[in-house]
Amino acid sequence: EAGVTQFPSHSVIEKGQTVTLRCDPISGHDNLYWYRRVMGKEIKFLLHFVKESKQDESGMPNNRFLAERTGGTYSTLKVQPAELEDSGVYFCASSFLGTSNSPLHFGNGTRLTVT
Amino acid sequence: GQQLNQSPQSMFIQEGEDVSMNCTSSSIFNTWLWYKQDPGEGPVLLIALYKAGELTSNGRLTAQFGITRKDSFLNISASIPSDVGIYFCAGQGQSFGNEKLTFGTGTRLTIIP
Repeated sequence: EAGVTQFPSHSVIEKGQTVTLRCDPISGHDNLYWYRRVMGKEIKFLLHFVKESKQDESGMPNNRFLAERTGGTYSTLKVQPAELEDSGVYFCASSFLGTSNSPLHFGNGTRLTVT
Repeated sequence: GQQLNQSPQSMFIQEGEDVSMNCTSSSIFNTWLWYKQDPGEGPVLLIALYKAGELTSNGRLTAQFGITRKDSFLNISASIPSDVGIYFCAGQGQSFGNEKLTFGTGTRLTIIP
């Protein structure tokens, strides 16, 4: 079974540019989450999709961040325009919907550096 | 929002030593989880705790869900080189739910040769 895949693994962009991160969850996982870890700090929740619907986007920092999950399969997270403080590792995670104790599977993350 | 205080931030130990780390919260959680992150990879679930007072083992790892539901600890016995990494605690407000996780700041474990 393929795990959660994220692309790219690294991205270095200049302030003001746009970057789009992609996440392919495990097949059959309706729950999809985005998290971010800024260096040395905790992993923070950004948002949660159930299928194609945004269930909770309370963690999105501001309107420069746009997440989509058209068709309920893969998801993209676009940052436009990027700022220096957006640097960090962006993790995607997925799990089965509504199953007791369904563990969260994380991707390897995208390391974003904004210069 | 909810915050988890995880300590220590880092540990430098020799191979074979035991390790202990903990998390405390000002809020109640109904589920406590412990994850490990290796360099260049995402967090991997080590142990999940679903009931206050629960003590669970996974090989050399032992974790407990505090009675107050506001804390948890993780012990690693007889550390080996592959234990190196960052350990995160995480809390979830619901039991068995799909709710987001609140993570601690992590404990970086280094084994000194």
